[in-house]
Amino acid sequence: KNEVEQSPQNLTAQEGEFITINCSYSVGISALHWLQQHPGGGIVSLFMLSSGKKKHGRLIATINIQEKHSSLHITASHPRDSAVYICAVKLSNTDKLIFGTGTRLQVFP
Amino acid sequence: EAGVAQSPRYKIIEKRQSVAFWCNPISGHATLYWYQQILGQGPKLLIQFQNNGVVDDSQLPKDRFSAERLKGVDSTLKIQPAKLEDSAVYLCASSFTFGRLLNEQFFGPGTRLTVL
Repeated sequence: KNEVEQSPQNLTAQEGEFITINCSYSVGISALHWLQQHPGGGIVSLFMLSSGKKKHGRLIATINIQEKHSSLHITASHPRDSAVYICAVKLSNTDKLIFGTGTRLQVFP
Repeated sequence: EAGVAQSPRYKIIEKRQSVAFWCNPISGHATLYWYQQILGQGPKLLIQFQNNGVVDDSQLPKDRFSAERLKGVDSTLKIQPAKLEDSAVYLCASSFTFGRLLNEQFFGPGTRLTVL
């Protein structure tokens, strides 16, 4: 079993829909990243959080440390949101990141 | 502020050939990471540098992979000789330091390697 599990693996949506991507982990962490990866490989950091909730534009990330679970929400989705979204956890007392396998999102007009 | 730079962006080689990738981190970032991302998987850490010293290279296949960061700034990752299973995206990332609670890593655009 992977230390970081994401669901769903693939997600399709119509423009304007509300989207949720989930991440569960089984290790002790000090922080959790949500990353966006477009075709071509480059990765952009969306959020880094250790508790509670963060919001940036149409993106919202939440984390529940007790339940070892985080969610990434996209409101009013747009075709330009189409990408792979990766959850990565920073292990406690190290800089090591453990990555999930990603959720491939496609938003159709 | 300039981001993490990598070159080349794409490389196609035949198996048993050698290849090198270059990374220039964000100015002032002491920590540099090389990751390998095989299609359909999350990135896997190959090596982590703090300035010009190696912090973690436990997952680097040392029989064929090598990396250096001689002056503590830019870095090169080399594969010699390449195997088919080395086909992947090689990502470089940097962070200001290491050991801080919320130390954020910034990623470069990656180099997509295809081994034929």
